[in-house]
Amino acid sequence: EAQVTQNPRYLITVTGKKLTVTCSQNMNHEYMSWYRQDPGLGLRQIYYSMNVEVTDKGDVPEGYKVSRKEKRNFPLILESPSPNQTSLYFCASSSTGEGYTFGSGTRLTVV
Amino acid sequence: AQTVTQSQPEMSVQEAETVTLSCTYDTSENNYYLFWYKQPPSRQMILVIRQEAYKQQNATENRFSVNFQKAAKSFSLKISDSQLGDTAMYFCAFMKPWSNYQLIWGAGTKLIIKP
Repeated sequence: EAQVTQNPRYLITVTGKKLTVTCSQNMNHEYMSWYRQDPGLGLRQIYYSMNVEVTDKGDVPEGYKVSRKEKRNFPLILESPSPNQTSLYFCASSSTGEGYTFGSGTRLTVV
Repeated sequence: AQTVTQSQPEMSVQEAETVTLSCTYDTSENNYYLFWYKQPPSRQMILVIRQEAYKQQNATENRFSVNFQKAAKSFSLKISDSQLGDTAMYFCAFMKPWSNYQLIWGAGTKLIIKP
């Protein structure tokens, strides 16, 4: 089954404790992206990747890191999480303009 | 910069009725894609329908259809014969291809289908 697998689904952590949200796709897509969703704001892009070893900032990159060492994986790293990073996070992948396939989301709470 | 506006924060209709969700966008581009995504309470983001700007014909997917007015920069979603399972947040999104393929999102419309 073609899918984007994102883990964990829920995560509660404390301020400053480094964490990684994993994302993997099995569709051989070149494009991958991370979004955060906050009430009333829709989704905003954090980082994106056009291909292996090619990543760039989206609209809200502060406090986040990503890497794309393999085509299928695109982890999101929060080196020192803060409460304002409490949000719902989505990983997504796409081959062209056909539209993105989304992971099931990660609800992150930073206390 | 591109922007997407959904002017209806919430709507509710009776089951089996037809409902139209509004979306307008602002861009100077001529070639782009427009999407409607559905997010049910499970929070999964599901692609409902896609429209390519260079195609004049409105896209349809079963009970879902769009009214794409390029000159007016309008992209409304019509849901016919609405069902309880259509209850969800609906997001309109814009994408400019051949750049970073970033999706620009509206704030969403919460649609409630009443039995």
